[in-house]
Amino acid sequence: GENVEQHPSTLSVQEGDSAVIKCTYSDSASNYFPWYKQELGKRPQLIIDIRSNVGEKKDQRIAVTLNKTAKHFSLHITETQPEDSAVYFCAASRGGGSNYKLTFGKGTLLTVNP
Amino acid sequence: EAQVTQNPRYLITVTGKKLTVTCSQNMNHEYMSWYRQDPGLGLRQIYYSMNVEVTDKGDVPEGYKVSRKEKRNFPLILESPSPNQTSLYFCASSSSPGLHYEQYFGPGTRLTVT
Repeated sequence: GENVEQHPSTLSVQEGDSAVIKCTYSDSASNYFPWYKQELGKRPQLIIDIRSNVGEKKDQRIAVTLNKTAKHFSLHITETQPEDSAVYFCAASRGGGSNYKLTFGKGTLLTVNP
Repeated sequence: EAQVTQNPRYLITVTGKKLTVTCSQNMNHEYMSWYRQDPGLGLRQIYYSMNVEVTDKGDVPEGYKVSRKEKRNFPLILESPSPNQTSLYFCASSSSPGLHYEQYFGPGTRLTVT
């Protein structure tokens, strides 16, 4: 089955700096890669996703890049703010057909220091 | 308001006492899924359902049962809970998973088995 590795497990940055979280996946058939943000005590919420036919996607201060050849994808947050502090999860799925399993990484605790 | 609800939100029980955690969504989503979240292990999929009467195992199905008799409901059943099932449980739903749509998570159920 799919295996998703996520690094680093913790990340501390100063407000205004950039943050990068990296994930690798094992199943070359995976074609959908979402990122979820989970604030303390809250439920995970989708912040951005990318499909395998796209190499990069941006949404304001966040961006995701995908390298299918190397089987890794990354989340980039620019101009970080204290409200960006949360746990971030990457995930991978092949989707489609009669099988749909979403495999998550173990998460990255991002702390943005004012 | 579109939402996924879970009940109960908190539960403390004893080993071996059967319990059910309910999950309901009002978005007419075909796909529903259960995850457990444990420190350092991220989100792991327990079971998922592509539609009514269609369920399949995720990565950690042992000790759990599910049923999908109605589109809106997807209860998680622990026939004989054990302490290693102490965890935070999330239900999620999505429309047309094969097309990779966002999964909406419920608020979570914190289960303690003593």
